[in-house]
Amino acid sequence: EPEVTQTPSHQVTQMGQEVILRCVPISNHLYFYWYRQILGQKVEFLVSFYNNEISEKSEIFDDQFSVERPDGSNFTLKIRSTKLEDSAMYFCASSRDSELSSYEQYFGPGTRLTVT
Amino acid sequence: RKEVEQDPGPFNVPEGATVAFNCTYSNSASQSFFWYRQDCRKEPKLLMSVYSSGNEDGRFTAQLNRASQYISLLIRDSKLSDSATYLCVVNKFIGGGADGLTFGKGTHLIIQP
Repeated sequence: EPEVTQTPSHQVTQMGQEVILRCVPISNHLYFYWYRQILGQKVEFLVSFYNNEISEKSEIFDDQFSVERPDGSNFTLKIRSTKLEDSAMYFCASSRDSELSSYEQYFGPGTRLTVT
Repeated sequence: RKEVEQDPGPFNVPEGATVAFNCTYSNSASQSFFWYRQDCRKEPKLLMSVYSSGNEDGRFTAQLNRASQYISLLIRDSKLSDSATYLCVVNKFIGGGADGLTFGKGTHLIIQP
């Protein structure tokens, strides 16, 4: 069964450093997403991406965040200057298309980001 | 009012029992509804989509009441492996683009042997 993969599984970085989180969505999916989950809190939407551009973003997704699809398979989330409060689990997800019946989003295993 | 509201639990239920979870959502424009399960420190896994007429998948039954903005999940003959956090999830389908999902905080279920 195809699945979303993410690397690394755990990233430790110092405050102010840049990090890039990587995701390989399911191969025939067209929509890609990033979410985060701070420990003990709910999953929160960050951004969606379609046809090489951002479709929607939340108020969390400010100027320090960016997304890119650098090639035909990878989808990345960059955090330019990490803060302590960026420590969270970051999940990538993908869905096949925008039709209601196929709008189900499938999540990768996550990258645990720890900012020290 | 919270966007998606769930009773956090925990629900402690003996193996074999039936358990029901409820969820309310605030955005009347919401068009798609899902139940996900999340094990500790793992990713959300899609359990089932929820359709207007209600739907069943094995031991799991989901129902939607749009008028009351209410979603339910029923688990019959519960197994030890059903122990997890159940996430009520809502999406606002606007068409032509990809909406983010809005998650509830989840209901924690513990099945006891």
